[in-house]
Amino acid sequence: EVLLVESGGGLVQPGRSLRLECTASGFTFRDYVMTWFRQAPGKGLEWVGFIRGESYGGTTEYAASVRGRFTISRDDSKSVAYLQMNSLKIEDTAVYFCSRYQLLIVAGEMSMIEDFDIWGHGTMVTVSS
Amino acid sequence: DVVMTQSPLFLSVALGQPASISCTSSRSLVSSDGFTYLNWFHQRPGQSPRRLIYKISNRDSGVPDRISGRGSGTDFTLRISRVEAEDVGIYYCMQGTQWPYTFGQGTKLEIK
Repeated sequence: EVLLVESGGGLVQPGRSLRLECTASGFTFRDYVMTWFRQAPGKGLEWVGFIRGESYGGTTEYAASVRGRFTISRDDSKSVAYLQMNSLKIEDTAVYFCSRYQLLIVAGEMSMIEDFDIWGHGTMVTVSS
Repeated sequence: DVVMTQSPLFLSVALGQPASISCTSSRSLVSSDGFTYLNWFHQRPGQSPRRLIYKISNRDSGVPDRISGRGSGTDFTLRISRVEAEDVGIYYCMQGTQWPYTFGQGTKLEIK
């Protein structure tokens, strides 16, 4: 069974740091782009960022709202993706979800498959003094 | 950024009746590979989003055929031909063509 499980959430003061984990199972983790999303209480869904697999350089992209404060990394040997959150703000309060997709090159063009088909249950981060 | 706009934001539908949600993107979602990465998700309270439809019209495993997606370019629709009790929740369209990936505001479906 394909599973994603987030952990590491909790209550943290503004300006402090927190690291979330997304543990994967049931698929070849290294072949997938791992993506983080979040959802503030009572609000809609927001993309946070992603990390490509090693075959695509392991590079990262971030939403403007978190760029420079959040860092995504991965450990393919453990099938875990991380979201390091620094300089946390009250507005970062949300449930954080991870998801995945795979990149394929077909006829010279990059395509996505299994895009956002599996989501974890989420982990709650509360930023408050 | 691509702005995704859903309408209506609230739907109250009697059991067995149809429901339709519109999603419009601020620019074409056709990717350079020819695919259109338009997804529909369903979220129940306290749960994570569940993907229902990918690439405009492809149903995920386990999604009943009374749920369908259609559209092209910038205009997309999710249709439920006969609403059932399990359909309550919030529906989101999402574009995966270009990062930052963006979502519509969500449409809340309730049973009348």
